[in-house]
Amino acid sequence: DAMVIQNPRYQVTQFGKPVTLSCSQTLNHNVMYWYQQKSSQAPKLLFHYYDKDFNNEADTPDNFQSRRPNTSFCFLDIRSPGLGDAAMYLCATGKQGNQPQHFGDGTRLSIL
Amino acid sequence: GESVGLHLPTLSVQEGDNSIINCAYSNSASDYFIWYKQESGKGPQFIIDIRSNMDKRQGQRVTVLLNKTVKHLSLQIAATQPGDSAVYFCAETNTGFQKLVFGTGTRLLVSP
Repeated sequence: DAMVIQNPRYQVTQFGKPVTLSCSQTLNHNVMYWYQQKSSQAPKLLFHYYDKDFNNEADTPDNFQSRRPNTSFCFLDIRSPGLGDAAMYLCATGKQGNQPQHFGDGTRLSIL
Repeated sequence: GESVGLHLPTLSVQEGDNSIINCAYSNSASDYFIWYKQESGKGPQFIIDIRSNMDKRQGQRVTVLLNKTVKHLSLQIAATQPGDSAVYFCAETNTGFQKLVFGTGTRLLVSP
């Protein structure tokens, strides 16, 4: 029944070693979002795709990239993870108009 | 590792009490508001939403109140249960955009 699925749930990588997080959805929503959430903080939007159009937030570091090969899948690539990138990464989907975003259960990323 | 986050405001209630969680939103142009519940290790879960042409909306055990004059949103939970323990986030958006702006969050602790 899961509608927004994130894999893996836990990811450990080494400092500076590229890592990719994945998200898939069964809702056929045209908008997909990536958020970073640190302990006791609200989710912070990194970027979103409206269909194939990529929209980056002004303060998202260049280290973070995203790919959306089709409607169902979206990837978050961190090219050279630093210790400050350790966080929960949340994927969400949505539709245009007054509709709530639907979140996955996140990937918790640890940096060694 | 992760940077130390801010301490979340905490509301502690007894099981069976009614809970009220408050949120001040920032943008007078926002016209759609959502409450999310986030349990430990999970993504935000949609609870209830309200459009700006309404001032009250009720769900099962939950009520959202919107006061546009003072840009205030509240979530009322009736007969609070231990399973309601979580962090609650309000979020606002404008219909013309696909992006949510989250409030800082409130931790609800329900003791038996």
